[in-house]
Amino acid sequence: GAVVSQHPSWVICKSGTSVKIECRSLDFQATTMFWYRQFPKQSLMLMATSNEGSKATYEQGVEKDKFLINHASLTLSTLTVTSAHPEDSSFYICSAGRTGGDYTFGSGTRLTVV
Amino acid sequence: DAKTTQPPSMDCAEGRAANLPCNHSTISGNEYVYWYRQIHSQGPQYIIHGLKNNETNEMASLIITEDRKSSTLILPHATLRDTAVYYCIVRVAGGSSNTGKLIFGQGTTLQVKP
Repeated sequence: GAVVSQHPSWVICKSGTSVKIECRSLDFQATTMFWYRQFPKQSLMLMATSNEGSKATYEQGVEKDKFLINHASLTLSTLTVTSAHPEDSSFYICSAGRTGGDYTFGSGTRLTVV
Repeated sequence: DAKTTQPPSMDCAEGRAANLPCNHSTISGNEYVYWYRQIHSQGPQYIIHGLKNNETNEMASLIITEDRKSSTLILPHATLRDTAVYYCIVRVAGGSSNTGKLIFGQGTTLQVKP
């Protein structure tokens, strides 16, 4: 079955630093990847849609300069949280879509900013 | 985007069938119904999806009403490991790439009890 690998699974960083999260589709080509954020006891909130070779489309209220998304190949998308602050601490999850209709999610990255 | 309505929580006895309802009264003709579940601190797991016909796979069955305004996910023999948050999602119709984004609601927390 389709596998999406997300790395790292958890990260702790200091306030003001940047953190990069990788999302890879291991056995299929993902023309579109999605990035979500989830706060404790809340549902997943879509942040942006990442298309290979083009600029990401951000949801309303998501700062594109703070959450940099790069989708340079059909198997890799990255999310960089720039100048992280404690309020950016959250569970970040990626998902890859492929022809056929189903979407596969990564295992998530727990970001803690101290 | 069509939205879904699910009960916030449900209980089910281990070994019994779990029937999780979902209302999507504003669904459009070309929008699919997806079901995912999320076990604590993990990425969502795909369960099943359908357009208008009932669907069954190794995990569950999906029953969609004839008018497509509601659906029911059936876990035939629930186990303790099925305890999770279950999300019913109507997929925003994408273009020819068939990769419309998934917007999550609050889901149903299913508690399977011994």
